[in-house]
Amino acid sequence: GNSVTQMEGPVTLSEEAFLTINCTYTATGYPSLFWYVQYPGEGLQLLLKATKADDKGSNKGFEATYRKETTSFHLEKGSVQVSDSAVYFCALHYQTGANNLFFGTGTRLTVIP
Amino acid sequence: DAGVIQSPRHEVTEMGQEVTLRCKPISGHDYLFWYRQTMMRGLELLIYFNNNVPIDDSGMPEDRFSAKMPNASFSTLKIQPSEPRDSAVYFCASSLKRGSEQFFGPGTRLTVL
Repeated sequence: GNSVTQMEGPVTLSEEAFLTINCTYTATGYPSLFWYVQYPGEGLQLLLKATKADDKGSNKGFEATYRKETTSFHLEKGSVQVSDSAVYFCALHYQTGANNLFFGTGTRLTVIP
Repeated sequence: DAGVIQSPRHEVTEMGQEVTLRCKPISGHDYLFWYRQTMMRGLELLIYFNNNVPIDDSGMPEDRFSAKMPNASFSTLKIQPSEPRDSAVYFCASSLKRGSEQFFGPGTRLTVL
């Protein structure tokens, strides 16, 4: 089946620390991969995406590389800020078949000054 | 564009009452999604529409839940009768076409006493 597994949270980091949030997936084909972010009290919004193997998505200093060999799409940022405190969701989507996004459980990040 | 609009933002009701949640997608978007978010179960897709037609309602928990999309600019999610376990944040999202970014509304926080 299709599933997304994210590292358990919560994650607490000091400002300017390096961030990694792990995401691995199980899929029968070649999905597109996404990271969505949910700030407190808001809906989810797309952070970055990658549509094929070896693609790197990037936005706002965040990066993730689509690794087919390890079925992973880990989210990284070199220097986090307090404003990055949010819940991060990894998700996958197929270009054919049902138009569903399969979400991971989310990882809560708190950045302290 | 105002983005996806949901109403009400908060709803508190008593067990057994009917609850109606409303959503206005972004103009021109062909797909509309209803999600439910809880601490225990994370983010769950309930149902999605394409061009106002329900495509996949396999995530709807039970017959107490129903969703309609009478036109391209309006959708409702109804719970009748409501139960305390329905307490959650309900999100509506829309996307322009198949596989494109989903834009989420701010959510409706439902509390059933």
